[in-house]
Amino acid sequence: AQSVTQLDSQVPVFEEAPVELRCNYSSSVSVYLFWYVQYPNQGLQLLLKYLSGSTLVKGINGFEAEFNKSQTSFHLRKPSVHISDTAEYFCAVSNAGNNRKLIWGLGTSLAVNP
Amino acid sequence: DVKVTQSSRYLVKRTGEKVFLECVQDMDHENMFWYRQDPGLGLRLIYFSYDVKMKEKGDIPEGYSVSREKKERFSLILESASTNQTSMYLCATRGRAVNSPLHFGNGTRLTVT
Repeated sequence: AQSVTQLDSQVPVFEEAPVELRCNYSSSVSVYLFWYVQYPNQGLQLLLKYLSGSTLVKGINGFEAEFNKSQTSFHLRKPSVHISDTAEYFCAVSNAGNNRKLIWGLGTSLAVNP
Repeated sequence: DVKVTQSSRYLVKRTGEKVFLECVQDMDHENMFWYRQDPGLGLRLIYFSYDVKMKEKGDIPEGYSVSREKKERFSLILESASTNQTSMYLCATRGRAVNSPLHFGNGTRLTVT
């Protein structure tokens, strides 16, 4: 069965510092990988996705993620965060052959402090 | 842009009441989903629908039912609300293509007293 582990439940960081939010998955088949962001009092929105091809994926708001098949990881990075990046970040995986359902991580709360 | 509208932002209901949560989308998406979100538990899928009048159980369907009479509308029904159904409920849609992302509404925070 597929599973997703977000290794940090909370990540505090100072403004303009770099950040990495970690995501590992387990699956025996090819997968699609996603990062979603949830700002306070809002629904989730797609940050970026990996379907195939280049393992480095760029998303909105300056975020990027790298797919590492050997380590079954899909870590999210940003070189310099802003206060407005404070949000909950969710990693998700789906079976590339049948993606009706996403398997979700529990989320990482990013708190950017001045 | 896809717009997913949930009818209520906040809802307070009493134990035993029948509760309807409505979700409407404007992008002709085939797939629609209902999740609940709880602290420490992430998102859990309650039900999803891949076509009108079609539905499938998710991971936690107990105590819930759904209705999809029209393509644009997907309703979540709590037959007899209980306090353990106090939660944030999120509706989402997705197009037919296998690489389509989910589009979420802003959520309904339901409190059952």
